[in-house]
Amino acid sequence: KAGVTQTPRYLIKTRGQQVTLSCSPISGHRSVSWYQQTPGQGLQFLFEYFSETQRNKGNFPGRFSGRQFSNSRSEMNVSTLELGDSALYLCASTPWGGNANTGELFFGEGSRLTVL
Amino acid sequence: GQSLEQPSEVTAVEGAIVQINCTYQTSGFYGLSWYQQHDGGAPTFLSYNALDGLEETGRFSSFLSRSDSYGYLLLQELQMKDSASYFCAVMGGGADGLTFGKGTHLIIQP
Repeated sequence: KAGVTQTPRYLIKTRGQQVTLSCSPISGHRSVSWYQQTPGQGLQFLFEYFSETQRNKGNFPGRFSGRQFSNSRSEMNVSTLELGDSALYLCASTPWGGNANTGELFFGEGSRLTVL
Repeated sequence: GQSLEQPSEVTAVEGAIVQINCTYQTSGFYGLSWYQQHDGGAPTFLSYNALDGLEETGRFSSFLSRSDSYGYLLLQELQMKDSASYFCAVMGGGADGLTFGKGTHLIIQP
């Protein structure tokens, strides 16, 4: 069974640009969540999608958005990039969503974004 | 809101036992998870405690005390490959998703 796949793995952007990251969950998993990982802040929750609906959203500005498609694949978008958006963006999937989650997330290897 | 505290770094000797502690403050609580992340790799799930007590999975064990808002991860017979960062995470309900601690960097010395 293939794992969670994230593309692109690495990318470099400049301030003011926008970026779209993609995540393909494990087959059969309907919940996809996104996390931002930085050395100073650790893993911070961005949002969770389940069956194409955003169920939960973390404390990030509106520049961060996402969506989920009918095949459970998900994308996140960051507009008007800032230097502080440089981070590893991790996607995780589970068969369930929200509070039914047993705490076991299956993570992809992430997309490392550098903003210059 | 939710917050978790864990040591930033722990050093141990190969073959020994090490305990990584985690204390949490949450507005709701469903369970405490532990994840391992090697440099450059994806976090991988280790264990989940929803009820008080000890859960054992091979060389790794995890403990939870809900009344103390405290848990720990115990690693036995340490191997060099256990050098990694370890994160505790709380599923607290509401809109916060899974909230992670900032991670403990475990250094194994020969």
